[in-house]
Amino acid sequence: QKEVEQNSGPLSVPEGAIASLNCTYSDRVSQSFFWYRQYSGKSPELIMSIYSNGDKEDGRFTAQLNKASQYVSLLIRDSQPSDSATYLCAVNTGRRALTFGSGTRLQVQP
Amino acid sequence: GAVVSQHPSRVICKSGTSVKIECRSLDFQATTMFWYRQFPKQSLMLMATSNEGSKATYEQGVEKDKFLINHASLTLSTLTVTSAHPEDSSFYICSARDSGGGIGITEAFFGQGTRLTVV
Repeated sequence: QKEVEQNSGPLSVPEGAIASLNCTYSDRVSQSFFWYRQYSGKSPELIMSIYSNGDKEDGRFTAQLNKASQYVSLLIRDSQPSDSATYLCAVNTGRRALTFGSGTRLQVQP
Repeated sequence: GAVVSQHPSRVICKSGTSVKIECRSLDFQATTMFWYRQFPKQSLMLMATSNEGSKATYEQGVEKDKFLINHASLTLSTLTVTSAHPEDSSFYICSARDSGGGIGITEAFFGQGTRLTVV
């Protein structure tokens, strides 16, 4: 079992819709969770971080964490074509380096 | 957010030569930096953890004699790809975390990445 799992996609949503990206992790001692956005040929860019159960909202983005289910998600409201990218879920599992999922490719159709 | 600067952004080198990539934390100190490699359409793969003032920690399968890491100061880590071969062509990315924050909670910031092409 991979430490951090994501559906590779592509996830295709129409412009203006809500995009829902999901991630599960295997290590129960994980303390912190991050969502990064990566455009093709570019390095990852931090979008959201979340450390406690529940929802955390920042603009059009909402991160949701459920430690009991070992599940973290990212919702993007009012999706825009510029949101089309690969979204990487990252987890701090106690090692000093973050563990990344394989990423979900999001396509927002104009 | 914090800034991590990586240089060069692109490099083309001949097979058998060595290439050095620099990673600098510009507005914070980083006792630890991380080097990743990413092949097309794949996720980030951690290569090694660079520790200021001590030896780097390499992931399984990464040759330490081929990928030399030096972390001489709290703001600079370098990765040297020695005797490069075409199969080393990849996107190399460094990241750093602010040493002033707790290890468990601080996010990692990434450099811009270096596209290495070995011909």
